[in-house]
Amino acid sequence: AQSVTQPDARVTVSEGASLQLRCKYSSSVTPYLFWYVQYPRQGLQLLLKYYSGDPVVQGVNGFEAEFSKSNSSFHLRKASVHWSDSAVYFCAVSALSGGSNAKLTFGKGTKLSVKS
Amino acid sequence: ETAVFQTPNYHVTQVGNEVSFNCKQTLGHDTMYWYKQDSKKLLKIMFSYNNKQLIVNETVPRRFSPQSSDKAHLNLRIKSVEPEDSAVYLCASSLTGGARAEQFFGPGTRLTVL
Repeated sequence: AQSVTQPDARVTVSEGASLQLRCKYSSSVTPYLFWYVQYPRQGLQLLLKYYSGDPVVQGVNGFEAEFSKSNSSFHLRKASVHWSDSAVYFCAVSALSGGSNAKLTFGKGTKLSVKS
Repeated sequence: ETAVFQTPNYHVTQVGNEVSFNCKQTLGHDTMYWYKQDSKKLLKIMFSYNNKQLIVNETVPRRFSPQSSDKAHLNLRIKSVEPEDSAVYLCASSLTGGARAEQFFGPGTRLTVL
């Protein structure tokens, strides 16, 4: 079984400030981790993913995330946010669900508001 | 353009009616998914198909039935809708069904049941 916890339902930051969105995961097997972003009235877009290797992974638009096995975490960071980053961010964990097919489990999302 | 397309964008209907949503992907993927996103943005997998075969079938009411004519199309039919079916239904696809597979999402179909 696998699960994802995003402890912050809403985060508000000022434009130009740094950002960290928290994600904790639980998985009985090696997890594959993802961050997706959802802009209003749109589907989800992949920001970045972690499979193995360097625990810090780079994504699109200046986002990065750090995997920590000891903390079971995969926090998302950005050095300087822009108003256009306002959206809902989802952390997700993937693991095999019978045979070779995977199941992607999402957290509840964190709504980011960037104020100018 | 290569992407995941969904129709309609919105649908408003009465309790007890039947609705059908369409999804098409032009990415050449062989796995497709349906997710339900409720009013609190919570996302849950409903079904996944690999090359036209049902792979994942989460616990959803029997009034929901997926239909796949080929690996590029995955439709969703809901017989006799209920108020709790009001949600956004997101279709996604991936190259394979493996755990590393990146899923690409469509814009969603917003269903409102009156």
